[in-house]
Amino acid sequence: KQEVTQIPAALSVPEGENLVLNCSFTDSAIYNLQWFRQDPGKGLTSLLLIQSSQREQTSGRLNASLDKSSGRSTLYIAASQPGDSATYLCAVASGGGADGLTFGKGTHLIIQP
Amino acid sequence: SQTIHQWPATLVQPVGSPLSLECTVEGTSNPNLYWYRQAAGRGLQLLFYSVGIGQISSEVPQNLSASRPQDRQFILSSKKLLLSDSGFYLCAWSPGVIWGYTFGSGTRLTVV
Repeated sequence: KQEVTQIPAALSVPEGENLVLNCSFTDSAIYNLQWFRQDPGKGLTSLLLIQSSQREQTSGRLNASLDKSSGRSTLYIAASQPGDSATYLCAVASGGGADGLTFGKGTHLIIQP
Repeated sequence: SQTIHQWPATLVQPVGSPLSLECTVEGTSNPNLYWYRQAAGRGLQLLFYSVGIGQISSEVPQNLSASRPQDRQFILSSKKLLLSDSGFYLCAWSPGVIWGYTFGSGTRLTVV
């Protein structure tokens, strides 16, 4: 059974810093890995999708890497802003294609102005 | 473009009352549809998924059921709500596993 772990559970940093969020998964037989952002009381917004054959994806100030063999992914946020404050969730698609995603519990990020 | 709609946004229901949450997807056909629940401190749990009309798979035994009466409509139901059914319910869709998943805005259910 796939298990996804995110470290740290919470992070508070001053504005402008570069930061890294970590995600690990136990079964390397994945189709892809997806990073989401969740604001309080809201749904999930997809940030980046990395296929199993890819090493990284970039969108603006966000860069996500994937090392499938070691079961790890990182989300790098450059020049953090207060608007980046949210919970970041990592999810992997593995097993049967229609089985949905396995999620980590998220990293609660606070960017201090 | 594809959009996903989920309603209501919030719901307060007494114990023992019925439940019906609706999710619809626009701009695509034959999507895979999913219902997730997010309970405080417990992360997101897959409840049901569907790959076609009338085809429902349940991931966990519980007080809830799901139906897919139309290609782009997914309904989460309960005949009698329990306090433990409280949580944040999210609908999602995917055209196929390699294309990733898109989530709705969620329904906050409080059972009192």
